[in-house]
Amino acid sequence: DSGVTQTPKHLITATGQRVTLRCSPRSGDLSVYWYQQSLDQGLQFLIQYYNGEERAKGNILERFSAQQFPDLHSELNLSSLELGDSALYFCASSVGTGLNEKLFFGSGTQLSVL
Amino acid sequence: DAKTTQPPSMDCAEGRAANLPCNHSTISGNEYVYWYRQIHSQGPQYIIHGLKNNETNEMASLIITEDRKSSTLILPHATLRDTAVYYCIVRPWVNSGGSNYKLTFGKGTLLTVNP
Repeated sequence: DSGVTQTPKHLITATGQRVTLRCSPRSGDLSVYWYQQSLDQGLQFLIQYYNGEERAKGNILERFSAQQFPDLHSELNLSSLELGDSALYFCASSVGTGLNEKLFFGSGTQLSVL
Repeated sequence: DAKTTQPPSMDCAEGRAANLPCNHSTISGNEYVYWYRQIHSQGPQYIIHGLKNNETNEMASLIITEDRKSSTLILPHATLRDTAVYYCIVRPWVNSGGSNYKLTFGKGTLLTVNP
């Protein structure tokens, strides 16, 4: 158990819909990262937050957005869903202080867009 | 970040040592070598990391060549549960709170441990 909690574990929805994925980081971790993993693209970095502020953006679509709340949990919002958005979405957290930084990953949310 | 090259797949017999190579010939002086693994559809799991000295922990050993252009992850006694995709990642060390410590994953090596 990495200590990172993601909910829900599975999500099935239809094209055009909007969903929210939730992540609770490990206790004490200030940074949260979101990754998308599809069969053909591998693990792709989407976005990072540190203590409530956005720090880095990767290959995140404009239809996707994220935020980190004062209690440090994070949500990834996916809207106008398309079939190609079906993927595993992972959240990771880290302390965020620099030295010996390690990322700890949650078990993921499997999103199926039908 | 420096690019890494790994073989797409390897096999290992259960109980034997698994040696997973990684080439990172363009690595810079401030870049660490990290290893993660992903067991089928689970979240990636941290294994070990190092700068230039060899490192060992309860999971594995990391051997980095003197010129730092390549490294080898060693699982001393592989078990069936070690079957996974192993990712070698090179990432700069940044001593600054809140900096971007994102990992850029490549395709990794699928290690299959056979009974």
